[in-house]
Amino acid sequence: RKEVEQDPGPFNVPEGATVAFNCTYSNSASQSFFWYRQDCRKEPKLLMSVYSSGNEDGRFTAQLNRASQYISLLIRDSKLSDSATYLCVALNNDMRFGAGTRLTVKP
Amino acid sequence: DVKVTQSSRYLVKRTGEKVFLECVQDMDHENMFWYRQDPGLGLRLIYFSYDVKMKEKGDIPEGYSVSREKKERFSLILESASTNQTSMYLCASRDRGRGNQPQHFGDGTRLSIL
Repeated sequence: RKEVEQDPGPFNVPEGATVAFNCTYSNSASQSFFWYRQDCRKEPKLLMSVYSSGNEDGRFTAQLNRASQYISLLIRDSKLSDSATYLCVALNNDMRFGAGTRLTVKP
Repeated sequence: DVKVTQSSRYLVKRTGEKVFLECVQDMDHENMFWYRQDPGLGLRLIYFSYDVKMKEKGDIPEGYSVSREKKERFSLILESASTNQTSMYLCASRDRGRGNQPQHFGDGTRLSIL
């Protein structure tokens, strides 16, 4: 079983839609969590950290549920430029990545 | 800004060759990582290092070795390249000393083994 599991998608949504991704992790000792964004043929780039109390950055909201061991990312008012693959990450001694969820936002 | 530099964006080698992939970071980070990324499989950790001359196996170390002679440089070595090692290779570094810091990635090396 992979340490971090994500729904691979693809998610195809219209501009302006709200979309949510979930991710589960198996290592209860994981200390920190992140969402990365990866564009086609590019390296992953940090989108946001995920804090225990939940956190928001503009249209993006991240939530952590330690009891259920899942992390979520909510994107409101989707833009065409949000089209990318979103990677969920759990940090213990090293960082474990999910396989990514592919999002396509269409006009 | 953190800068992680991988020596090549694209590389083509032949089966059986010894291949070196180089990675340099300029932020004095202790932790460095090598991943490969394949369609449908996501990022898989090959090796990582917490400090100079230190290395730990990741999930898929077979067929690879690493070298960390200097803090800023982490090299991935394919001892005898095989076609199943054709992949995108990503190097990352992380500051271990400042709380729970994220990783920063290099641009990646697309390696083709013929």
